[in-house]
Amino acid sequence: DAGVTQSPTHLIKTRGQQVTLRCSPKSGHDTVSWYQQALGQGPQFIFQYYEEEERQRGNFPDRFSGHQFPNYSSELNVNALLLGDSALYLCASSIGTWSSYEQYFGPGTRLTVT
Amino acid sequence: GNSVTQMEGPVTLSEEAFLTINCTYTATGYPSLFWYVQYPGEGLQLLLKATKADDKGSNKGFEATYRKETTSFHLEKGSVQVSDSAVYFCALPIGGNQFYFGTGTSLTVIP
Repeated sequence: DAGVTQSPTHLIKTRGQQVTLRCSPKSGHDTVSWYQQALGQGPQFIFQYYEEEERQRGNFPDRFSGHQFPNYSSELNVNALLLGDSALYLCASSIGTWSSYEQYFGPGTRLTVT
Repeated sequence: GNSVTQMEGPVTLSEEAFLTINCTYTATGYPSLFWYVQYPGEGLQLLLKATKADDKGSNKGFEATYRKETTSFHLEKGSVQVSDSAVYFCALPIGGNQFYFGTGTSLTVIP
């Protein structure tokens, strides 16, 4: 049973560009959350998708947007990249939107903005 | 709002030493509490959790007790191994499935 997968593993972009990161949830999971983890920090919640809709959002600007597909996979899009967007982006999947359910994390996508 | 304050690292221990990583929380009500671990180059893995006051979560020799009176959820292990070297995060939900993670404590175990 494959766990959470993310692609690509690493990415280098230039300031002002746009990027799309992808996530496939663990089999049987229908909820996907995205986190940004800056170097030496804990993950920060960006948003969560359930039933193809954004259900919750953290304190991130509108440059960060996402999408969930009918097969529950998800994309994270970041527009007008800033140097400060350099981070490890983690995807987590779970069942439903209730916090008692365990979240399974993918290995992350390392984004470097130059 | 809900948050956690985690002991700053890094922590370096010799193999078989006793480990404590402190975590205190601020919360409305009594949310579940979690410890996650991140091994080098990997994503986060759930290490253990406790869902109510006085609950003890345990896994792989690690334990943490949900203490309401001291608002703490300290992580302990009696005898660490080199393979325990990782970054440990205390976390709690702040609404639905949205989690607040501590800043992480890096542990290095030397033989």
